[in-house]
Amino acid sequence: EPEVTQTPSHQVTQMGQEVILRCVPISNHLYFYWYRQILGQKVEFLVSFYNNEISEKSEIFDDQFSVERPDGSNFTLKIRSTKLEDSAMYFCASSRTKTSTDTQYFGPGTRLTVL
Amino acid sequence: GQQVMQIPQYQHVQEGEDFTTYCNSSTTLSNIQWYKQRPGGHPVFLIQLVKSGEVKKQKRLTFQFGEAKKNSSLHITATQTTDVGTYFCAGMDSNYQLIWGAGTKLIIKP
Repeated sequence: EPEVTQTPSHQVTQMGQEVILRCVPISNHLYFYWYRQILGQKVEFLVSFYNNEISEKSEIFDDQFSVERPDGSNFTLKIRSTKLEDSAMYFCASSRTKTSTDTQYFGPGTRLTVL
Repeated sequence: GQQVMQIPQYQHVQEGEDFTTYCNSSTTLSNIQWYKQRPGGHPVFLIQLVKSGEVKKQKRLTFQFGEAKKNSSLHITATQTTDVGTYFCAGMDSNYQLIWGAGTKLIIKP
């Protein structure tokens, strides 16, 4: 069964450093998403992406964040200057369409630790 | 902004007892999805409800979507140790964004 993959599984970085989190969505999916989950808290929507541009973004997704689909398979989330409060699990998801009957499939997540 | 409230935050049950978690949205949802997250794992899709009043069953799990498409519940009959984890509801709003509940952690007492 096809699945969303994410790398790395765990990233440790110093405050102020840039990080890039990588995702490979399911191959025939067209819509891509990033979510984050601070330890012990709920999953929060960050951004959705379609046709090489951002569709929606939340208040969390400020100028420190950017997303890119650099080639036909990868979908990346960049945090320019990490803060302590960026420590969280970051989940990538993808869906084939964007309708009320479609499902978003989640990757295993990248645990980001900012020191 | 739009919120999905989920209760309870935790539920301790003896193995074999039933478990229920409830979600309530401030606005009408396009659909509601349920996910299970094991400790250290990622959310795993369980089911999606789209129609008003819809009820779906997966073995010992029963999912309901309210008539107004604002509330939903997940009921597990006769819990087993494999049911341990956090159950999240996520409602899809009119912009196709998933708004997540805070989750209910199911803890099985030995």
